[in-house]
Amino acid sequence: RKEVEQDPGPFNVPEGATVAFNCTYSNSASQSFFWYRQDCRKEPKLLMSVYSSGNEDGRFTAQLNRASQYISLLIRDSKLSDSATYLCVVNVYDMRFGAGTRLTVKP
Amino acid sequence: EAQVTQNPRYLITVTGKKLTVTCSQNMNHEYMSWYRQDPGLGLRQIYYSMNVEVTDKGDVPEGYKVSRKEKRNFPLILESPSPNQTSLYFCASSGTGGSNYGYTFGSGTRLTVV
Repeated sequence: RKEVEQDPGPFNVPEGATVAFNCTYSNSASQSFFWYRQDCRKEPKLLMSVYSSGNEDGRFTAQLNRASQYISLLIRDSKLSDSATYLCVVNVYDMRFGAGTRLTVKP
Repeated sequence: EAQVTQNPRYLITVTGKKLTVTCSQNMNHEYMSWYRQDPGLGLRQIYYSMNVEVTDKGDVPEGYKVSRKEKRNFPLILESPSPNQTSLYFCASSGTGGSNYGYTFGSGTRLTVV
């Protein structure tokens, strides 16, 4: 079993849609959690950290469920510029990356 | 500007010809790491360094070497490159081992070994 698993997608949604990504992790000792965004052929960039109580940043909401060992990312009112690959990242003693979920937002 | 700088951005080389990919950060970060990214496999860690003169293997270290003689620099060395090392490489750094603040990545090096 992979340490961090994500649905690879692709997710194709119209502008304005709400889309949710889930990610599961295998190590219950994981300490911190992140979502990264990666545009084609470019470096991953930190989108947001994920806190136990859940957190929101504009149209983006991240949730953590430690009991079930999954984290989620919700994007509301999708924009064309949200098209990218979203990486789930879990830190145990160092960062473990999911393979990413590809999102395409269409007009 | 706080950043991680990798060079070169693109490199085409021949099998067996030694090469070095440089990585430098200006944030005084203790932790640095190298990843390779291949389609369908995501980011896989090659080597990492907790601080100067402290390095350790990641998940896919075979065929690579690193050194950390200075805090800011963490070069990746391919002593005898082979075609299966054709990949997109990223260097990353963090001030706290990535535990709370995540990584800052370099812009990547696209390596082709023919």
